[in-house]
Amino acid sequence: DTAVSQTPKYLVTQMGNDKSIKCEQNLGHDTMYWYKQDSKKFLKIMFSYNNKELIINETVPNRFSPKSPDKAHLNLHINSLELGDSAVYFCASSLHGADTQYFGPGTRLTVL
Amino acid sequence: TQLLEQSPQFLSIQEGENLTVYCNSSSVFSSLQWYRQEPGEGPVLLVTVVTGGEVKKLKRLTFQFGDARKDSSLHITAAQPGDTGLYLCAGEDTNAGKSTFGDGTTLTVKP
Repeated sequence: DTAVSQTPKYLVTQMGNDKSIKCEQNLGHDTMYWYKQDSKKFLKIMFSYNNKELIINETVPNRFSPKSPDKAHLNLHINSLELGDSAVYFCASSLHGADTQYFGPGTRLTVL
Repeated sequence: TQLLEQSPQFLSIQEGENLTVYCNSSSVFSSLQWYRQEPGEGPVLLVTVVTGGEVKKLKRLTFQFGDARKDSSLHITAAQPGDTGLYLCAGEDTNAGKSTFGDGTTLTVKP
């Protein structure tokens, strides 16, 4: 009965590879997000989708491409991974754009 | 861009001590939320404050929203090791349809 789930929990890969992180929410929320949390614990928003439409796209390299097949899923694809991409990536959802956000457990990405 | 500054950034105290964490902004928010994040987990909502001057209590935690709805504080009484974690405030701007997170306060409570 997990509300917001992410897979995988851990991802270790080489520089230059392409990888995807999946996120699903079963809360019936309209809005989903991707955040990046670096080693200093700063939580920075990357993208926000509302009903499958991109709402927020912060300054993120275009190697990062979110995809929302339906409003319950928001996947994050990363091309040509770089060392600086190493971080914990959190998916979250909220009923609407400015409501309480419910976070997934995070995906720890390590780029070697 | 709305910014939320939290202070202190790091706080290490002994069990039983009291502490206050601050969340400040020059922007007005519709509401403000406090989250706690434990190691290896995602942030979890603690409380939402909506009205200027509002005070909410959650056991040993007291949350206050500033009168002008630009700032907030979190006070913990008699801190316990289980309070250890990253505390994040987030301001909601209903008009813009988005929330802004502060940079977090890492609290360590030593037994």
